[in-house]
Amino acid sequence: DAGVIQSPRHEVTEMGQEVTLRCKPISGHNSLFWYRQTMMRGLELLIYFNNNVPIDDSGMPEDRFSAKMPNASFSTLKIQPSEPRDSAVYFCASSLGLVHPEYHNSPLHFGNGTRLTVT
Amino acid sequence: QQPVQSPQAVILREGEDAVINCSSSKALYSVHWYRQKHGEAPVFLMILLKGGEQKGHDKISASFNEKKQQSSLYLTASQLSYSGTYFCGTERGSPFQGGSEKLVFGKGTKLTVNP
Repeated sequence: DAGVIQSPRHEVTEMGQEVTLRCKPISGHNSLFWYRQTMMRGLELLIYFNNNVPIDDSGMPEDRFSAKMPNASFSTLKIQPSEPRDSAVYFCASSLGLVHPEYHNSPLHFGNGTRLTVT
Repeated sequence: QQPVQSPQAVILREGEDAVINCSSSKALYSVHWYRQKHGEAPVFLMILLKGGEQKGHDKISASFNEKKQQSSLYLTASQLSYSGTYFCGTERGSPFQGGSEKLVFGKGTKLTVNP
């Protein structure tokens, strides 16, 4: 099991540029989450998918952020245009989704994150 | 509604005990605990589901008081390897009970264990 794979590990870009972060979840997992981590806000949930369908995107900061999951093995988080305040570590996590019979969330498996710096 | 963790940071000597608390102003369905070492991804420790439930993982255990909407993580006889930031993540309710599978994390408690 290769775990959740994110790319790139580090991204440095200039304000106004488009940034695309990529995630490959663990095979067989049907829930995928995008989190952003900063010192001030901690781990913020941006959006999550279940069976490739976006379920809740209320955490997406603004229209500059968009996320897609075209199939079960790939997701992207795009920022266009990027701003310095977007600088953070972005984590992707996947899970088996809801666990029977209590229907609680199964453990999240996090990728190693992408450290984004916008200058 | 982000859960509140306390303390924000704690420093221990090897062998000492610590308690980390996680509380919410809203009713909780379950609580997850994760540990993140510096520069690494958060790693799952345990899930607690029912009021009063307790679980243990080596010398790390936790309790969940559903009525008080709070959970506590207990680290006994701490080891150097326990150092890191501990996060609680809370679920408001099962989707089948009108809740959400959304997992919201607290800001974390930084634990440092010194020799």
